[in-house]
Amino acid sequence: EVQLLESGGGLVQPGGSLRLSCAASGFTFSTYAMSWVRQAPGRGLEWVSTISGSGGSTSYADSVKGRFTISRDNSKNTLYLQMNSLRADDTAVYFCAKGSTSSAWVFDHWGQGTLVTVSS
Amino acid sequence: DIQMTQSPSSVSASVGDRVTITCRASQGISSWLAWYQQKPGKAPNLLIYAASSLQSGVPSRFSGSGSGTDFTLTISSLQPEDFATYFCQQANSFPFTFGPGTKVDIK
Repeated sequence: EVQLLESGGGLVQPGGSLRLSCAASGFTFSTYAMSWVRQAPGRGLEWVSTISGSGGSTSYADSVKGRFTISRDNSKNTLYLQMNSLRADDTAVYFCAKGSTSSAWVFDHWGQGTLVTVSS
Repeated sequence: DIQMTQSPSSVSASVGDRVTITCRASQGISSWLAWYQQKPGKAPNLLIYAASSLQSGVPSRFSGSGSGTDFTLTISSLQPEDFATYFCQQANSFPFTFGPGTKVDIK
C-alpha cells in the first residue's frame, strides 16, 4: 500500500524558513516523480513543484521560484521542500503527491498534508 | 499559463441523480486532463486521468470525456459517499493548473 506522510509544517514569521519532509513507502520511490501541491485555507489546489525520480530534473511554479527548493533522498525514500523567504500568501496545507505511471504530473497518491502558517 | 474553469461552481443533487461537471481549458490540452475528488479535511483522490481513463479502484459510476478544451465528469448515479468537491487539472504544460472546483452537496 502506498503511503505518503508529510511533516515539518508549523507557524513561521514572514521572511522565515521551513523544511517540509514526505516519507514514502509501499512503492519503488526512485522510479517516480514526486510533487508538492498546496491548498490555501478554503481555496483551490495549486501545483508548487515537481522532481524527477532520479532528482536530476526539477520544476517550480512562478510563485515560489527562487524561494523554494525541492529535493529527494532516494536512499531514505524521502521528499523535501525547503521554503525560504516565506510570505503570508504561502500559508496553506502542503501535500506531497506521487506521479502516476501515465504522467509525472497526474497525482495518483497524496499524503494527508501538513499546514504551514506564515504570520507575525 | 493555461486557465482552467469549471461549471457549475456548486450543484445540489439527490442520491441516485446523474451529475455532470464541465471543465474548460483556456487552450488545447489534448487529453491531458485529470479529475480529483476531495472531501473536507482530506487529500484529493484521483478519479480519472487522460480525460477518460478510470483510475484503479474508482467506481464505474464515474466517467470522463472530452479532448482539446472541453471536458466533462459524469457521476451516473450519485451515492452518499460522492458528496464532495471535484477538481479538474491539466497535465499538458507548466504550470499544471487546477480548476476552482465544483462542490456537490445534498439537495
